[in-house]
Amino acid sequence: GDSVTQMEGPVTLSEEAFLTINCTYTATGYPSLFWYVQYPGEGLQLLLKATKADDKGSNKGFEATYRKETTSFHLEKGSVQVSDSAVYFCALGGAGTALIFGKGTTLSVSS
Amino acid sequence: EAQVTQNPRYLITVTGKKLTVTCSQNMNHEYMSWYRQDPGLGLRQIYYSMNVEVTDKGDVPEGYKVSRKEKRNFPLILESPSPNQTSLYFCASSPGARAREAFFGQGTRLTVV
Repeated sequence: GDSVTQMEGPVTLSEEAFLTINCTYTATGYPSLFWYVQYPGEGLQLLLKATKADDKGSNKGFEATYRKETTSFHLEKGSVQVSDSAVYFCALGGAGTALIFGKGTTLSVSS
Repeated sequence: EAQVTQNPRYLITVTGKKLTVTCSQNMNHEYMSWYRQDPGLGLRQIYYSMNVEVTDKGDVPEGYKVSRKEKRNFPLILESPSPNQTSLYFCASSPGARAREAFFGQGTRLTVV
């Protein structure tokens, strides 16, 4: 069945460092791919999405490119801020009815 | 403001005492679902509904019930809660018949003692 694998955390960075959180997927067909962010004490918010191969989703300085050849959707940001500290979830919307989530990666940014 | 509202945000209860967590959305979405979030396991879908009076099991439905009598509401019912249902619960809604760009509620932290 469909699945998502994302890098284990926690990821600890200093402010202004470069961020990469790896995400790979297994799916039949052509799924949509998402990154969600969960700030402390809050629900999940959609951060960015891509619906077809080679699409680049971007929002708030974060980017991810849908790479069908490597079945990946890695999240990147050039310069993280303390306010980016959160849990990040990669998710897949495939042929089924449910979004399939990775286990989440905790990002901690210090000043 | 478009939102998904869950209540309560926090709940401590005893084993076997029936409880209901409410969920309401104001976006006229067809699709609604419930997830539980547990450390190391990510989010797992409990139940979903594709429209009024249409509900189905997700990945972890045991011990839960749902109903969809109105389009905006999708309550989660625990008839006889047990300690293994201690978790963080999220309600979500999406436009259309499938869970694509999902909008999440703030979460309900449930502790069963």
